[in-house]
Amino acid sequence: EAGVVQSPRYKIIEKKQPVAFWCNPISGHNTLYWYLQNLGQGPELLIRYENEEAVDDSQLPKDRFSAERLKGVDSTLKIQPAELGDSAVYLCASSLVATGEQYFGPGTRLTVT
Amino acid sequence: ELKVEQNPLFLSMQEGKNYTIYCNYSTTSDRLYWYRQDPGKSLESLFVLLSNGAVKQEGRLMASLDTKARLSTLHITAAVHDLSATYFCAVGGGSNYKLTFGKGTLLTVNP
Repeated sequence: EAGVVQSPRYKIIEKKQPVAFWCNPISGHNTLYWYLQNLGQGPELLIRYENEEAVDDSQLPKDRFSAERLKGVDSTLKIQPAELGDSAVYLCASSLVATGEQYFGPGTRLTVT
Repeated sequence: ELKVEQNPLFLSMQEGKNYTIYCNYSTTSDRLYWYRQDPGKSLESLFVLLSNGAVKQEGRLMASLDTKARLSTLHITAAVHDLSATYFCAVGGGSNYKLTFGKGTLLTVNP
């Protein structure tokens, strides 16, 4: 069974530029999560989807971050414009149900210069 | 707000030794996970603990959960170099889907 797929794995951009990350969850997993992991820290939830609906985006900085999950499968997380403090690893995870075990993708390491 | 504390944050061990990582959390929970993360890699699920007194073992790692004390432990037996990684505990509660992670324990096993 294929795991959670994310791309790109690494991204280097200059500040004020836009950037987008893509996630394909495990087949059949209705719940999808985007996490932010700063260096030396545990992941922190940004947004959770149930199918195509964002049911919790309370931690998402909406002035510059946006996300979508069209058709309830793949998801895209966007930052526009990026700031230096956005440098981190962005992890996508999925689970069969909302309270089920979460499976993580490899992450996208973003460096903003 | 749920808070999760791990200690120690850094652990340097000799091969063959035993040690325990502790995970304390602040509010009632019925789900606790242990994850392993290698440098530059994603999180790999090690254990899921769902009830008080639960104990799970895989190889040299054993995890336990005491919901009354709000404490989970990850015990390492006869450490080997391959166990070097960062270990996270993550706690979720009841119908709350949200997982709150500890800061992680960076384990280095030296020959």
